Amino acid sequence: GEDVEQSLFLSVREGDSSVINCTYTDSSSTYLYWYKQEPGAGLQLLTYIFSNMDMKQDQRLTVLLNKKDKHLSLRIADTQTGDSAIYFCAETFHGGSQGNLIFGKGTKLSVKP
Amino acid sequence: GAVVSQHPSRVICKSGTSVKIECRSLDFQATTMFWYRQFPKQSLMLMATSNEGSKATYEQGVEKDKFLINHASLTLSTLTVTSAHPEDSSFYICSATPSGPSTDTQYFGPGTRLTVL
Repeated sequence: GEDVEQSLFLSVREGDSSVINCTYTDSSSTYLYWYKQEPGAGLQLLTYIFSNMDMKQDQRLTVLLNKKDKHLSLRIADTQTGDSAIYFCAETFHGGSQGNLIFGKGTKLSVKP
Repeated sequence: GAVVSQHPSRVICKSGTSVKIECRSLDFQATTMFWYRQFPKQSLMLMATSNEGSKATYEQGVEKDKFLINHASLTLSTLTVTSAHPEDSSFYICSATPSGPSTDTQYFGPGTRLTVL
C-alpha cells in the first residue's frame, strides 16, 4: 500500500536553515502537503505542492519535489524557536476516497537558541 | 481563511459513557469531513470519511457502531464515541475540505483530547 516516510528527529540552531525530508511510494499522488503540529494542538497546513510542480516558495518556506525519486523536502530559512514542532508530510491521490491523506510519522524539529 | 473548530477541546469521562465531539467549518461549507485519531507520538490514522447527507465511510478496523458519525449539515459533523473505554483515550482530530472545485486541501480542527477513566 501507499507509504510515506520521514526521519523522526531534526535539531538545528536558531538562525540556521532546516531541511525536513520525506519520501513516498505512490506515483499517482496529486498533492503533497506539509503540516505543522505544535504540542497538544491540531494540525496547521503550512503549504502544499501540486505534483506537476518542482518547487514552491512561500516566505521562509521552500518546498522541493523530485517526482522521479518520489522525494519531498521542506526548507525553513532562518529557523526560529517558534518553529519547534512536529512536521508531517502527507500525500493525497485521486481514486478511492476523495482527499484521503496518507501521513508520514512526523519529524520533530527542535530549535536550539 | 478556512477555519475549523472542534468542541470540546478536552473531555474526561467515565468508562461506559458516551462522548460527542463536534467539528464545525466556520467560514466555508464542507461537503466532506474527515475524522482522525492520533495516538501519543504517532501519526494520524484516518477513521472515517463523513459526507453530508449520507452515511460515513469507515476505514478498515474502525467499528462503526462504536464511533458514530453524523454529518447533519455542510458545516457540522459529529463523532460520538459510544460506551467509551480507556483504550479509546486518544487525540481526535477532524478536518474539512471546502465544497466546490478546488484542491483536496484539508483544513484541520484543533483536536479533542479524550481521556476515559
